[in-house]
Amino acid sequence: GAVVSQHPSWVICKSGTSVKIECRSLDFQATTMFWYRQFPKQSLMLMATSNEGSKATYEQGVEKDKFLINHASLTLSTLTVTSAHPEDSSFYICSQEKRGNRQETQYFGPGTRLLVL
Amino acid sequence: AQKITQTQPGMFVQEKEAVTLDCTYDTSDPSYGLFWYKQPSSGEMIFLIYQGSYDQQNATEGRYSLNFQKARKSANLVISASQLGDSAMYFCAMREGIDSASKIIFGSGTRLSIRP
Repeated sequence: GAVVSQHPSWVICKSGTSVKIECRSLDFQATTMFWYRQFPKQSLMLMATSNEGSKATYEQGVEKDKFLINHASLTLSTLTVTSAHPEDSSFYICSQEKRGNRQETQYFGPGTRLLVL
Repeated sequence: AQKITQTQPGMFVQEKEAVTLDCTYDTSDPSYGLFWYKQPSSGEMIFLIYQGSYDQQNATEGRYSLNFQKARKSANLVISASQLGDSAMYFCAMREGIDSASKIIFGSGTRLSIRP
């Protein structure tokens, strides 16, 4: 079954509105979650690393005031796209890491498609 | 400089044939992990296989195997007996370091199309 859930799966909004995307861990507690963005026909680009109980670490070029990340609990991280514009239209996907004895796996949520009109 | 390089933007393979997807990486960290993911048109990222830098043997998971050439810094994915359902984007990725907060960097991907 799914390990990571994301909500909503689709968002269509008007330019200037804010959109909140939730990433929820279903199987285990995650102190760290990752947020990625993927434009059509491109690869995943890491936006930020979300740390439970502390501030997120943003990648170079990602505006922290525009993409607000909150990781208030061990099972929930949220990404808010503030004052969204058409260029923010993209596929947003979160992930968590799970480590075993000899293997590690990054579990990804199903993603959120954002379309800003 | 590119950390993860996938030189094949697209590949066409006949059903039931084996296919190798290329991936080279660049890191100076002795501890790292390599991943392969499959992304079908639905967008979900499906974990396929993992190889740790200290693993002595090549990783295998069912029809997937990772050809880990440490000295060449390559981590090619081999899919045996390809199936129509294997048609998708495939991404190679790397995590540097052992910290659980270490980020994963993705390659540009290879679009694999399986012909019936």
